[in-house]
Amino acid sequence: QSVLTQPPSVSGAPGQRVTISCTGSSSSIGADYDVHWYQQLPGKAPKLLIYGNNNRPSGVPDRFSASKSGTSASLAITGLQAEDEADYYCQSYDDSLSGYVLFGGGTKLTVL
Amino acid sequence: QVQLQESGPGLVKPSQTLSLTCAVSGDSISSGVYFWNWIRQPAGKGLEWLGRIYSSGSTYYHPSLKSRVTLSVDTSKNHLSLRLNSVTAADSAIYYCARQSPGTGIGDWYFDLWGRGTLVTVSS
Repeated sequence: QSVLTQPPSVSGAPGQRVTISCTGSSSSIGADYDVHWYQQLPGKAPKLLIYGNNNRPSGVPDRFSASKSGTSASLAITGLQAEDEADYYCQSYDDSLSGYVLFGGGTKLTVL
Repeated sequence: QVQLQESGPGLVKPSQTLSLTCAVSGDSISSGVYFWNWIRQPAGKGLEWLGRIYSSGSTYYHPSLKSRVTLSVDTSKNHLSLRLNSVTAADSAIYYCARQSPGTGIGDWYFDLWGRGTLVTVSS
């Protein structure tokens, strides 16, 4: 089955910029399906961070942005803050088999 | 304010059936705008989508779990249900219900609202 590959961990100091990659395949991101991003704070349910490749829901700071190109996508966080320390997941869709929702394995962001 | 609340047994014996309910408040499942989903997360691991259901009862399941998962919706009670049969320890996880909002295409929908999740442990 198809997968979305994310780095297990990234880190950065307060104020810095970090990026998290999400690599799919020709049957997922490469098939032009949207990529969405979720933030999961410790002990909490995931929260929608970015939808439709690069759209922020109301209340999400503009420090968070995302892009998509080819079979990959990336999430960028600028002006890193301690409260950004969390797990981040990308999500898309795979049209192989009968079609299904696909999550990346998640990336743990550590704010140094 | 729309809220989702999962509930069900926290402990299930191996080979038995896991049954969970998600109560939706502040919105009607019958509105027909959203898909309603179940997603799980084993301890210390990532998210796994199990399936989704529409208000009409139409269902879509993850291919690897299709033979064991059944989703249903009760519009009179405004809740959705998950049944997972023949469980093993590998099915131990936090189970979330989540609302899925429309994207530009059927593969573009996104999860804009999540419940808090309920922990299920499979053990004898």
